Amino acid sequence: DQQVKQNSPSLSVQEGRISILNCDYTNSMFDYFLWYKKYPAEGPTFLISISSIKDKNEDGRFTVFLNKSAKHLSLHIVPSQPGDSAVYFCAASEGTTSGTYKYIFGTGTRLKVLA
Amino acid sequence: ETGVTQTPRHLVMGMTNKKSLKCEQHLGHNAMYWYKQSAKKPLELMFVYNFKEQTENNSVPSRFSPECPNSSHLFLHLHTLQPEDSALYLCASSQANGGVNPFREKLFFGSGTQLSVL
Repeated sequence: DQQVKQNSPSLSVQEGRISILNCDYTNSMFDYFLWYKKYPAEGPTFLISISSIKDKNEDGRFTVFLNKSAKHLSLHIVPSQPGDSAVYFCAASEGTTSGTYKYIFGTGTRLKVLA
Repeated sequence: ETGVTQTPRHLVMGMTNKKSLKCEQHLGHNAMYWYKQSAKKPLELMFVYNFKEQTENNSVPSRFSPECPNSSHLFLHLHTLQPEDSALYLCASSQANGGVNPFREKLFFGSGTQLSVL
């Protein structure tokens, strides 16, 4: 059973408009969430993160919102640019005493920004 | 060279072959990971190493055998694979700091090895 779900496999947005990518999770122990971006033939690269002690984190054009009661987070990109076209992965982890964190990823959403 | 480097970028092997994937990180991290990405599936965590010690084996079949000789190098030894093992294999590293940390370190990924098993 998937603990992190990205129910929209793809999304198309016009350049300059807002892109909203959604992610749902089932494990209430998750307390740290990340978004990664992946271009073809490259590994995922970190975009933005949020801890469960916050409900919003902003970095330039990228904002992540966390709704703990709904177990839902979203990534807003505004304004969207053609270079943002990529696959976006949501990931979550929970605290551990082992020293390493088990990051659980969603299936990804392919964003296409139309010029 | 910086970041996380994986070799080879592409690999085609028969089911009876033995091959190895290599990963090297130049970030001074102490934790390394193997992930598998199959089409239309989430990235699946396979193995985690912290200071060369394996801390996670996510029920991976024994035909995949990891090796971590030091904190900078990670290998994935492959033998008698099946066609369904064809996937993108991603290596990642992070600075593990243990405990419950609300601002924990993120993963840095390599570009992956695209594996095809014939």
